[in-house]
Amino acid sequence: DIVMTQSPDSLAVSLGERATINCKSSQSILYNSNNKNYLVWYQQKPGQPPKLLIYWASTRESGVPDRFSGSGSGTNFTLTISSLQAEDVAVYYCQQYYTAPCTFGQGTKLEIK
Amino acid sequence: QVQLVQSGAEVRKPGASVKVSCKASGYAFTDYYIHWVRQAPGQGLEWMGWINPNNGGTTYARKFQGSVTMTRDTSITTAYMEVNRLRSDDTAVYFCARDYYGLGSYAPYWGQGTLVTVSS
Repeated sequence: DIVMTQSPDSLAVSLGERATINCKSSQSILYNSNNKNYLVWYQQKPGQPPKLLIYWASTRESGVPDRFSGSGSGTNFTLTISSLQAEDVAVYYCQQYYTAPCTFGQGTKLEIK
Repeated sequence: QVQLVQSGAEVRKPGASVKVSCKASGYAFTDYYIHWVRQAPGQGLEWMGWINPNNGGTTYARKFQGSVTMTRDTSITTAYMEVNRLRSDDTAVYFCARDYYGLGSYAPYWGQGTLVTVSS
């Protein structure tokens, strides 16, 4: 199984500042035939199901604010929130869909400093 | 619009079984895999497996093989996830989610979740 490891486990950032969350896969999740990385980022708030933010590692889902961006390739990926807003407090998960089981990272809890 | 509506909360004793339903609407049910994901209290997300509603084919995470069964009823566009031989550590919110492309990719559409509590 592909193991997904996020860092840090928790993060406190001031409003308006940049937040960066990392995700590392135990093997490459770049499919060479289409040059796509099979990685998504979700945001989850208490009592809610996860909300899709980013797919193919860097494509923003419709309706997601452009302060959210994804980057990386192969085994190393990053979710960046360029200017933290109060409503961004949540837990963020990466997930690979390169192969089943479609494993999640352990989550990163983002709070306001 | 795509909607996934799950059945209500359940309480079971250890050793019992529970079956959670996921009623789909707003799209062609047989064209898109349904994923099942669970989340224990205060813990992270755990992918359990998926079912192909077209033919009933399933893929389970190794941890759930033998204890979880995913099925579907195409006549009522509903997917089911049954957990057998429940243990206290099966206490969790169980989510269904619809695949985006259909045949095993990411899942932008989620049900509201079903809390299953296992307690003697």
